[in-house]
Amino acid sequence: DIQMTQSPSSLSASVGDRVTITCRASQSISSSLNWYQQKPGKAPKLLIYAASSLQSGVPSRFSGSGSGTDFTVTISSLQTEDFATYYCQQSYSTPYTFGQGTKLEIK
Amino acid sequence: EVQLVESGGGLVQPGGSLRLSCAASGFTFSNYWMSWVRQAPGKGLEWVANIKQDGSERYYVDSVKGRFTIARDNAKNSLYLQINSLRAEDTAVYYCARGGGTYNGRFDYWGQGTLVTVSS
Repeated sequence: DIQMTQSPSSLSASVGDRVTITCRASQSISSSLNWYQQKPGKAPKLLIYAASSLQSGVPSRFSGSGSGTDFTVTISSLQTEDFATYYCQQSYSTPYTFGQGTKLEIK
Repeated sequence: EVQLVESGGGLVQPGGSLRLSCAASGFTFSNYWMSWVRQAPGKGLEWVANIKQDGSERYYVDSVKGRFTIARDNAKNSLYLQINSLRAEDTAVYYCARGGGTYNGRFDYWGQGTLVTVSS
C-alpha cells in the first residue's frame, strides 16, 4: 500500500497569512494526488485534484503543486473560513490512502 | 444539485451486521464509480471500497475484505454497503462519495455520513 505522510500535523496561523502544507507519498504517484478540506462534523470537501487542478467553486487562494512523491497545497491569504483539517489522498492505485491530516488553527 | 444521502447506521453488537444505503440525485448515477469512505471518531479518513459504473468491478481495503460487500442499483440511483462480522474497529462515520474510479480516483461529492457504532 502507498503511505501518505503530511506535515505538519498541526499549524497555527493568522488571517492573511500564507500557509503551505506538505504531503509525501511512499512511492511515486505521478500527479494522482487530491486535497480535501474538512470542518468539524462535516463531510470532506474536494479542493484540488490531479495535484494542481482547482475544483470548481473553490477560491483561487488555494493552489496545489508537485508530482512524483512530493506535493504541497498553499493558501495564499488565510480567511476565517479556511481554519479546518486538510487531507491529501493518493488516487494512483487501490487501496486509495489518505494522509493523517493537518489541523489548521487560528493563532 | 448533486446530493448523496446515507442511511442505515446505528448501534450494533460485535459480530452483527448492517446494510448502509446511499441515495443519489442530481447527476447520472450510472455514469460514475462510487465509493465508501469511513472515519473513526477523532481519526482520519479511510477508503473502504469502490464499485464501477456497471458493478463489474469492486475493490476493498484489506481490513474489510470478506466482511463488507459494496453494491449498487442504477435503476434506483442507490449505493449500498453490506457490513458483516462487525468489529469494534469498524466504528466510524461512513461516507458515500462519488468517484474513486480507476482513471479518476478523486471523490468530488460526499454525503453527510452515517454513524456505525459497534459495541456490546
